[in-house]
Amino acid sequence: EDQVTQSPEALRLQEGESSSLNCSYTVSGLRGLFWYRQDPGKGPEFLFTLYSAGEEKEKERLKATLTKKESFLHITAPKPEDSATYLCAVTGSSNTGKLIFGQGTTLQVKP
Amino acid sequence: SAVISQKPSRDICQRGTSLTIQCQVDSQVTMMFWYRQQPGQSLTLIATANQGSEATYESGFVIDKFPISRPNLTFSTLTVSNMSPEDSSIYLCSVSATGELFFGEGSRLTVL
Repeated sequence: EDQVTQSPEALRLQEGESSSLNCSYTVSGLRGLFWYRQDPGKGPEFLFTLYSAGEEKEKERLKATLTKKESFLHITAPKPEDSATYLCAVTGSSNTGKLIFGQGTTLQVKP
Repeated sequence: SAVISQKPSRDICQRGTSLTIQCQVDSQVTMMFWYRQQPGQSLTLIATANQGSEATYESGFVIDKFPISRPNLTFSTLTVSNMSPEDSSIYLCSVSATGELFFGEGSRLTVL
């Protein structure tokens, strides 16, 4: 069964304190791993898609990496506006187009 | 990317009533998905809606409770029938475009 586990559940950082969020996954025939940002009361906002181990993508202070078992979302010198819930999701060969989501990591960045 | 509009954005409903959520996309898309996000939880897929065919429901979700329409390539509706407080959730429409999955802002339903 396809499964996604994110850790930690919650993370508090001081502004400028870099850290990483983890997404461990089990999926049959990975087609893509997705990172989303979700602000309270809003729908998920697409950040990245990673397709194969070794792939990396960057956007501003965020960098996503992928191995065969997990993905990391690295946040460099975060700012308070980076505070949100970050969701990881995967789709596999048996579930084309369907995303299996993790529980998310709620990030709070204090000024 | 795709721009997705959902209506209503939020509603308060009485137990036993039904509510239809509309999802409009600014471009033609083949696959549309409906997700549910219960309070404090992550997203769970309810069903996949393809134009011209019946929706495909995930385990734990049935057509009688969550009927879906997909009359064309830019529009879909999800009805939450005979609502109970356990149906209080955010319902999200999403579409697959350019290999990515994009989400609407969601419809927050509270059932009293």
